[in-house]
Amino acid sequence: QQPVQSPQAVILREGEDAVINCSSSKALYSVHWYRQKHGEAPVFLMILLKGGEQKGHDKISASFNEKKQQSSLYLTASQLSYSGTYFCLKNTGGFKTIFGAGTRLFVKA
Amino acid sequence: DTAVSQTPKYLVTQMGNDKSIKCEQNLGHDTMYWYKQDSKKFLKIMFSYNNKELIINETVPNRFSPKSPDKAHLNLHINSLELGDSAVYFCASSQDWQGNNSPLHFGNGTRLTVT
Repeated sequence: QQPVQSPQAVILREGEDAVINCSSSKALYSVHWYRQKHGEAPVFLMILLKGGEQKGHDKISASFNEKKQQSSLYLTASQLSYSGTYFCLKNTGGFKTIFGAGTRLFVKA
Repeated sequence: DTAVSQTPKYLVTQMGNDKSIKCEQNLGHDTMYWYKQDSKKFLKIMFSYNNKELIINETVPNRFSPKSPDKAHLNLHINSLELGDSAVYFCASSQDWQGNNSPLHFGNGTRLTVT
């Protein structure tokens, strides 16, 4: 079952913050996050492997709440280059992984 | 050096034709995939090969047939193309099976348009 991402879309001004959520109805073993810019391939951002884990990549960080079966991606002081579609990929064990529907982020000057 | 390369980048063809998309990775990864991205941007896995062995075959019409001659190559052949096959097809690879938490590395995609 596809993980649910929210919001579906968000518009920010440069310098503003955003949070993108990814939740699952089944237990999550790990979560990947990817960003896809318009007309390009998805690019890996980070993996969260266990509950409570937090990671950071420049001003983009993420957390993984195993109990709540969700992960959140935090974009701080957004830049124009952050624009794109953000996908989470959930792993519920075995060979089963599935992408969320994506969150479209647009950062304007 | 391109890590995951796929050709062609664009493919425009008529209904009923047969076409192939090729993919190669030079990362030394064990696992390769084909994903389909539709007009709503949803990324759906189609096939996955691990060391040339098919390990995932999602609900995909029989008209789609993957072939992996070695672990660095994964090609996709599509028979009797239909309008609904129009999409962007991405090849990807990972060090190990993604369930073991290896990041996916994507190719630049092939935009297929069936007229």
